[in-house]
Amino acid sequence: EVQLVESGGGLVKPGGCLRLSCAASGFTFSSYTMNWVRQAPGKGLEWVSCISGNDYYIYHADSVKGRFTISRENAKNSLYLQMNSLRVEDTAVYYCVRESSGEGFDYWGQGTLVTVSS
Amino acid sequence: QSVVTQPPSASGTPGQRVTISCSGSRSNIGSKTVTWYQHLPGTAPKLLIYNNNQRPSGVPDRFSGSKSGTSASLAISGLQFEDEADYYCAVWDDSLKVRLFGGGTKLTVL
Repeated sequence: EVQLVESGGGLVKPGGCLRLSCAASGFTFSSYTMNWVRQAPGKGLEWVSCISGNDYYIYHADSVKGRFTISRENAKNSLYLQMNSLRVEDTAVYYCVRESSGEGFDYWGQGTLVTVSS
Repeated sequence: QSVVTQPPSASGTPGQRVTISCSGSRSNIGSKTVTWYQHLPGTAPKLLIYNNNQRPSGVPDRFSGSKSGTSASLAISGLQFEDEADYYCAVWDDSLKVRLFGGGTKLTVL
């Protein structure tokens, strides 16, 4: 059974840092592109970042470029999102998402809440 | 403001057919495949349609997708109360090199 479990969310002050983790199981982690998607309170889904299975390509949304960094450790079946210079508008539930080639975002974690507030 | 546009709301009565549109441009919908997601509050989003019109196993055939030019649509037939949710289209943009979600459509079953 495919499982994606996020951790690392919490309350942080503006300008602060946080590192999200996603533990994956039930599939060959290194074979899949992984994504982070977020949803701010009362807002829609927003794609944040993606990383290919072999790290060959990495992309970030303009809204987080230069502040957030996606990475992965295939040996540990883990995905990460390092978030620096956090802003109030980064407050959201962050989802770890598996992307199946040509088949979209087929598995989502339950999400972890990040709150940026003074 | 999303580059991919959906109507903010849609509604229908049980048994009806409703469609939700998703409008983009040549660099996204016009050249890439569209996926659709259903999102119920407090739960993880669920993949409904991939590759414009393919349904993952377990998704009822009441849900169907289509694409023409720079627009895509999700149709739900035989509407049920349990279909009340937020629906999002998503597509890769080859110019911006980002994944774009539509702004979402809140479906109300009256």
